[in-house]
Amino acid sequence: KAGVTQTPRYLIKTRGQQVTLSCSPISGHRSVSWYQQTPGQGLQFLFEYFSETQRNKGNFPGRFSGRQFSNSRSEMNVSTLELGDSALYLCASSIDRGSSYEQYFGPGTRLTVT
Amino acid sequence: AQSVTQLDSQVPVFEEAPVELRCNYSSSVSVYLFWYVQYPNQGLQLLLKYLSGSTLVESINGFEAEFNKSQTSFHLRKPSVHISDTAEYFCAVSRSYNTDKLIFGTGTRLQVFP
Repeated sequence: KAGVTQTPRYLIKTRGQQVTLSCSPISGHRSVSWYQQTPGQGLQFLFEYFSETQRNKGNFPGRFSGRQFSNSRSEMNVSTLELGDSALYLCASSIDRGSSYEQYFGPGTRLTVT
Repeated sequence: AQSVTQLDSQVPVFEEAPVELRCNYSSSVSVYLFWYVQYPNQGLQLLLKYLSGSTLVESINGFEAEFNKSQTSFHLRKPSVHISDTAEYFCAVSRSYNTDKLIFGTGTRLQVFP
């Protein structure tokens, strides 16, 4: 069974631009979560989606948004990029909501904002 | 709300020596506890988890962790480390129902020297 895939793996953007990251969960998994990892703030929860609905949101500004499609694939968008948005963005999937005990992470998308 | 504290940001150790990575948590609700490992330029891999039952949990590569409710701790141990264990280790908690959201500690960098 294929793991969680994230595209692209690396991305370079300039300040003020916007970016869309994609996450394809493991087949059969319906819950997708996103995390931001930076050296200063560590791993921080961004969002959680289940059945195309955002179920939980972390403490991030409105520039960060996401969505989930009917096939459980998820995208996150960051508008008006800032230098501080440079980070590794990780996606995780689980078979159902409340199944954190069987949650699998993708390799991440490394975003660099210049 | 839940929180996780990893007191040691770096732990240097010689190969074949024992190691303990400390993790303390706080929560007012029932939680699951996890240890994840991250190798350079990779995502997170689940090392082991505590859901309920036996307080000692083991991984397939020789790590073990013990849940101590009275001390609210979930320390990770290995009796004899290898060079290949060099990585970043994250302790995490999640509420045991209705969410996949993980709260992570700040991580401990385990550096194994020959």
